[in-house]
Amino acid sequence: QKEVEQNSGPLSVPEGAIASLNCTYSDRGSQSFFWYRQYSGKSPELIMSIYSNGDKEDGRFTAQLNKASQYVSLLIRDSQPSDSATYLCAVGDSNYQLIWGAGTKLIIKP
Amino acid sequence: DVKVTQSSRYLVKRTGEKVFLECVQDMDHENMFWYRQDPGLGLRLIYFSYDVKMKEKGDIPEGYSVSREKKERFSLILESASTNQTSMYLCASSLREDQPQHFGDGTRLSIL
Repeated sequence: QKEVEQNSGPLSVPEGAIASLNCTYSDRGSQSFFWYRQYSGKSPELIMSIYSNGDKEDGRFTAQLNKASQYVSLLIRDSQPSDSATYLCAVGDSNYQLIWGAGTKLIIKP
Repeated sequence: DVKVTQSSRYLVKRTGEKVFLECVQDMDHENMFWYRQDPGLGLRLIYFSYDVKMKEKGDIPEGYSVSREKKERFSLILESASTNQTSMYLCASSLREDQPQHFGDGTRLSIL
């Protein structure tokens, strides 16, 4: 069974620090990778898409992909209390089915 | 921006009722999806559709059916609602299979 694994947390990070969220996946043929943010009681919203090995930056967010090691990470610089949420990793497998991780709960402490 | 609209934010129904959840997207996306999300169980795919009048079962299709008569609209039907179908239901759409999915606001459904 294809899997996407995330540490459920909670991950507690001081305000202004870098938050690092990690995700591993089992299908070596996976081609597309997404990070979503979900506030409590709300629907997931897309933060980043990444398709190639390396880093992709968007504002305070950086996604990192390493297909050889089968992991994708999300870094949040200058963390703010408003970044407190659950972060979902989603991986498009070799059949283009989206496999979802269970999410990591992030808490930014003022 | 992609807009995915779900017909109800909150819905309360009784066991045995036939329940319709509607979803409309305005970006001419090919693909549409229905998920449910429960605490501790994450997002679970119920049904999806890659084209008009086409549907595929997801991981948990039992007790549900879907309809896609028009490209922009994807309906989820609970044939005979049961209390274990109380959940948050999320509709999503994507342009292509390798593109991200965009979600509606969700419908919190309670079956009494």
